[in-house]
Amino acid sequence: GESVGLHLPTLSVQEGDNSIINCAYSNSASDYFIWYKQESGKGPQFIIDIRSNMDKRQGQRVTVLLNKTVKHLSLQIAATQPGDSAVYFCAESERGKLIFGQGTELSVKP
Amino acid sequence: GAGVSQSPSNKVTEKGKDVELRCDPISGHTALYWYRQSLGQGLEFLIYFQGNSAPDKSGLPSDRFSAERTGGSVSTLTIQRTQQEDSAVYLCASSLVRTTNTGELFFGEGSRLTVL
Repeated sequence: GESVGLHLPTLSVQEGDNSIINCAYSNSASDYFIWYKQESGKGPQFIIDIRSNMDKRQGQRVTVLLNKTVKHLSLQIAATQPGDSAVYFCAESERGKLIFGQGTELSVKP
Repeated sequence: GAGVSQSPSNKVTEKGKDVELRCDPISGHTALYWYRQSLGQGLEFLIYFQGNSAPDKSGLPSDRFSAERTGGSVSTLTIQRTQQEDSAVYLCASSLVRTTNTGELFFGEGSRLTVL
């Protein structure tokens, strides 16, 4: 079964607001996590990654937070834009392959 | 090419027929992955290759599914005697090294399979 899952299947935010997408994982031995964005009809696209020896990593408008104590991962998107509308997946690395969660659909209202 | 290329982009077949899906990874990428995505669902791991060998085939749903990779490049996913539950988008991805080292997979746009 899936070892990575998401708390919410859908998230709707107002343009300009910050978005937070959550993810729970079950394998405490996982040492590497990635967030992907998938737009309709396209393949997933890498957003940001984080290793288990880190708690936080920042990119351009995105931040990933890792809480190993509760096995929780989150993706924060600052000043959400209409172009951010997509399905977001977290994934964990397990023996050379990535295991994906079910995804959260982010909808940005103008 | 510039990215991962998959063909066909769409395939409609009749139940019981065999299908072949092709993936051309990014040149020089040693690792290649196949995932399956059913409508509105997440990505289900099928198999991955390191070079021409497949260290992990654990995700293949049944013995009707097989995959091969030749020359460390092109890979073919074959589904024999297709069933309606095989209908999905089949995604291929490649990476320069194994994900445990760098992590970034580059995905193709997928092959959408519809079994009637």
